[in-house]
Amino acid sequence: SQQGEEDPQALSIQEGENATMNCSYKTSINNLQWYRQNSGRGLVHLILIRSNEREKHSGRLRVTLDTSKKSSSLLITASRAADTASYFCATGTASKLTFGTGTRLQVTL
Amino acid sequence: DAGVIQSPRHEVTEMGQEVTLRCKPISGHNSLFWYRQTMMRGLELLIYFNNNVPIDDSGMPEDRFSAKMPNASFSTLKIQPSEPRDSAVYFCASSLHGTDNEKLFFGSGTQLSVL
Repeated sequence: SQQGEEDPQALSIQEGENATMNCSYKTSINNLQWYRQNSGRGLVHLILIRSNEREKHSGRLRVTLDTSKKSSSLLITASRAADTASYFCATGTASKLTFGTGTRLQVTL
Repeated sequence: DAGVIQSPRHEVTEMGQEVTLRCKPISGHNSLFWYRQTMMRGLELLIYFNNNVPIDDSGMPEDRFSAKMPNASFSTLKIQPSEPRDSAVYFCASSLHGTDNEKLFFGSGTQLSVL
């Protein structure tokens, strides 16, 4: 069963715009991770935010976490065509990391 | 580092045949995971090894599925006999210690088609 659900399921934007995707989860967490998957490839880790953190930045990525609402958001600023991919949130323990349903992001020129 | 290496990249087989998927984790990583990805069910954890020992195989769908890790640098996932509903992308992933707050490193996956 999937712990997280991303919203929206699909997002299409133009290059240079910002992309925001959200993740909701069901149970309490120690941390939440975001991964990217390019078409036909494996998942690549983007960022991890701990439960006692509210916001974290990595380059053009900004992640927020609201444990009271059991939700997280991933913001990609100044998007590029190369950001076209599916994005997944993941929660759980080290031995049982479960992934959400994913947001498919399409960045057009 | 070459990353997590999976083979084959694509596998097409007929129903009833045995399928063996292979994985080489990143050198020095103690934890290995097998995931399955389908459109309907998303990413599902099948089995988790730590220090070559299967710790949690509750995600293995049926007795037709088996996984082994004979040493720290090699793991196999076997399906015998295969069925069309096994068609999916199978991913292997590894992490350094298998502790919380660690990220997973994924291989490129094996696209399995069972006809």
